[in-house]
Amino acid sequence: NAGVTQTPKFQVLKTGQSMTLQCAQDMNHEYMSWYRQDPGMGLRLIHYSVGAGITDQGEVPNGYNVSRSTTEDFPLRLLSAAPSQTSVYFCASSPSSSRGYTFGSGTRLTVV
Amino acid sequence: QQQVKQSPQSLIVQKGGISIINCAYENTAFDYFPWYQQFPGKGPALLIAIRPDVSEKKEGRFTISFNKSAKQFSLHIMDSQPGDSATYFCAASKGGKAAGNKLTFGGGTRVLVKP
Repeated sequence: NAGVTQTPKFQVLKTGQSMTLQCAQDMNHEYMSWYRQDPGMGLRLIHYSVGAGITDQGEVPNGYNVSRSTTEDFPLRLLSAAPSQTSVYFCASSPSSSRGYTFGSGTRLTVV
Repeated sequence: QQQVKQSPQSLIVQKGGISIINCAYENTAFDYFPWYQQFPGKGPALLIAIRPDVSEKKEGRFTISFNKSAKQFSLHIMDSQPGDSATYFCAASKGGKAAGNKLTFGGGTRVLVKP
């Protein structure tokens, strides 16, 4: 039981490049979310999913796309990286509504 | 709009002392209030959570106090230990699939426990 697995752990991108942050969970959790963490800003919700095939925008969705074709996987795509997207990204999953989320170990992204 | 406000931003406590972190929320539809602990370089980990139908919940040295009328809740860390040094986040969510089970986080409190 690996929990929530995020890859890569570190990434450096050039402005304008695109990439996909991978997230997989093996707990058969229904809910999944992507957060970004910036100093002094706490964690802010980017996109979330309430089940396979269902996604919606969070607080800061601009510049990011998601899809949820399976229960296990919830990739986050950066369309055209900008320095403002330099952050630590966390994926999380939860088994049901109003239950605690399990977080991955994060991806530290730097856009130069 | 910051729906969950957390204070203080940082605190220093002596080993054996009590750490107290406070959070205030605005949305009365929130019905689940978790606290997360985060160590440097790691993801947040669920520490303890409470629902608004109870006023207090205790798990070991960690206690949540909840005041529904004031829309406030707090985390108390009793007998603080150096291993408790971490950043703590309060959060809130509204249940139900339609609401998305989305967590709204406070800004975090960095706790340092001095030996």
